[in-house]
Amino acid sequence: EAQVTQNPRYLITVTGKKLTVTCSQNMNHEYMSWYRQDPGLGLRQIYYSMNVEVTDKGDVPEGYKVSRKEKRNFPLILESPSPNQTSLYFCASSSTGSPDSYEQYFGPGTRLTVT
Amino acid sequence: AQSVAQPEDQVNVAEGNPLTVKCTYSVSGNPYLFWYVQYPNRGLQFLLKYITGDNLVKGSYGFEAEFNKSQTSFHLKKPSALVSDSALYFCAVRERNTGGFKTIFGAGTRLFVKA
Repeated sequence: EAQVTQNPRYLITVTGKKLTVTCSQNMNHEYMSWYRQDPGLGLRQIYYSMNVEVTDKGDVPEGYKVSRKEKRNFPLILESPSPNQTSLYFCASSSTGSPDSYEQYFGPGTRLTVT
Repeated sequence: AQSVAQPEDQVNVAEGNPLTVKCTYSVSGNPYLFWYVQYPNRGLQFLLKYITGDNLVKGSYGFEAEFNKSQTSFHLKKPSALVSDSALYFCAVRERNTGGFKTIFGAGTRLFVKA
């Protein structure tokens, strides 16, 4: 089954404790992206990656890091989480070959609470 | 800079009536436009897209959307609403820049369909 998986699904942590949210896709997609969803703000792009070792900032990259060492994986790293990073996070992937395949496939989401 | 506006936080419609969820956008070049739906406690699912060609595009679950270049709008429509259509709907625009693809989402519109 084609899918994007994220782990963990729920995470409660404390300020300053480094964490990683994993994302993996099995569709051989070149493009992967991280978003955060906050009430009234919709989804905001954190980082995206066009392919292995190619990443770029979205609109809200502060406080986050990413890496793309393998095509299927795109982990999101919070090195020193703060309460304002409490949010619902989504990973997504898509093809880049043709505009007809530009729609994104989303993971189930990770609900992060930083106290 | 690209932007997406969904002017209505909430749309209420009776089952069987037509529905419209509005979206306007601003991009510097030709837009790639998308609608996604989010059901409670779920990730986002792709509904439909406009890339080029016919201004009326058809998607999943009987939804369609009309691209209007002069009004920079991409409104989502359905001729006859179902209670099961109740969900959160996001309009998104994707634009290619020098770094790759950035995606901007609207704030979302919550659709309530009453039986």
